[in-house]
Amino acid sequence: ETGVTQTPRHLVMGMTNKKSLKCEQHLGHNAMYWYKQSAKKPLELMFVYSLEERVENNSVPSRFSPECPNSSHLFLHLHTLQPEDSALYLCASSLTDRGNEKLFFGSGTQLSVL
Amino acid sequence: AQSVTQPDIHITVSEGASLELRCNYSYGATPYLFWYVQSPGQGLQLLLKYFSGDTLVQGIKGFEAEFKRSQSSFNLRKPSVHWSDAAEYFCAVASGGSYIPTFGRGTSLIVHP
Repeated sequence: ETGVTQTPRHLVMGMTNKKSLKCEQHLGHNAMYWYKQSAKKPLELMFVYSLEERVENNSVPSRFSPECPNSSHLFLHLHTLQPEDSALYLCASSLTDRGNEKLFFGSGTQLSVL
Repeated sequence: AQSVTQPDIHITVSEGASLELRCNYSYGATPYLFWYVQSPGQGLQLLLKYFSGDTLVQGIKGFEAEFKRSQSSFNLRKPSVHWSDAAEYFCAVASGGSYIPTFGRGTSLIVHP
């Protein structure tokens, strides 16, 4: 148990659906991250929020839309996804967004796009 | 830009044997270096990290890693592997230019009884 909770654990959606992934931490961390993990590829950083402000947006397609309403919650809104978006989506948090901070990861949401 | 290479996609060892997982990074100055482990169906968990000082760092679960600046490497080692060590291992680097860690593609460890 890392203190970072992601829901749902599994999600199957069609290309025309709209869904949201949720991440929650009560560790007192000020930075939160979304990563995409595809088979045999490096983890891809998608978004970083620090103190609820987006500080990194790694050329992610607009069909992925993040939201950080407060320092404890992070959402990833999904719409009109493509089959190649099927992957494990990991949320992480850290005390700050400095590089020497340990990342605490959730268990991920396994997304399948049909 | 910083980058991380984990040259081995899969490593197979027998239980009780020693283990070394390779990691090479690309960055001009001394980076922050990490090893994370991911068990099936789980997120990543930090094993150990190196920032400065002693180049041999100890981590959890009996793992250690050695920073070698001349080789730009940060290899992970364990003297005796247990079946529960079977997992995916990720090396990561963060630098002064970009504080966000960059991860390697991972090495899958298979442990035979």
